Amino acid sequence: QVQLQESGPGLVKPSETLSLTCTVSGVSINSYYWSWIRQSPGKGLEWIGYIYYSGSPKYNPSLKSRVIMSIDTSKNQFSLRLNSVTAADTAVYYCTRDAVYYDFWTDYYYYYMDVWGKGTTVTVSS
Amino acid sequence: DIQMTQSPSTLSASVGDRVTITCRASQNISTWLAWYQQKPGKAPKLLLYKASTLESGVPSRFSGSGSGTEFTLTISSLQPDDFATYYCQQFNTYSPWTFGQGTKVEIK
Repeated sequence: QVQLQESGPGLVKPSETLSLTCTVSGVSINSYYWSWIRQSPGKGLEWIGYIYYSGSPKYNPSLKSRVIMSIDTSKNQFSLRLNSVTAADTAVYYCTRDAVYYDFWTDYYYYYMDVWGKGTTVTVSS
Repeated sequence: DIQMTQSPSTLSASVGDRVTITCRASQNISTWLAWYQQKPGKAPKLLLYKASTLESGVPSRFSGSGSGTEFTLTISSLQPDDFATYYCQQFNTYSPWTFGQGTKVEIK
């Protein structure tokens, strides 16, 4: 059974860096794409970016200047760093597994987030 | 960015009702669309992907349709466990992935 678990500080001071780790169990991290999503009352669900074990991560342009995602295949973990945080970054942060389905007939790849962590609440406050 | 607009924002229904939620994309996304269900305090759960493909283990009363810019999620006979908030998400590879604002299905 595939499980994802987010971990990291629940409270971050303004202007500092938010750091979260997602530990993956039940599957090799080499086999899928992995995303970070956040959810706040004001902005709803927001995709932050995804990472694969090889190749460059892809980030949401709205956060790209502040985000770094990384992956540690030896620990089966991937991580998020978001710097220069403000109160607007207060949210529940989820990590997800992104499955990819190839349709031979359309020659398209279809993505979807089929496994989610339980989420971790991060508050930005002094 | 591609904007996803869901309607209605809130829907009141009774057990046994047929329920339809609409999701509109601001530009053509083919069938690069997924639907999720979220209950309070829980993570979203995948229901359908590729607009109409049911995720394994999801009851067959859930169905999806549409392509291009207009999509629907239908629950054929609403069950007590289905009262939740539903989100669509687009996966166009040339745009950041975005979600609809959600549709809350509540008890009438």
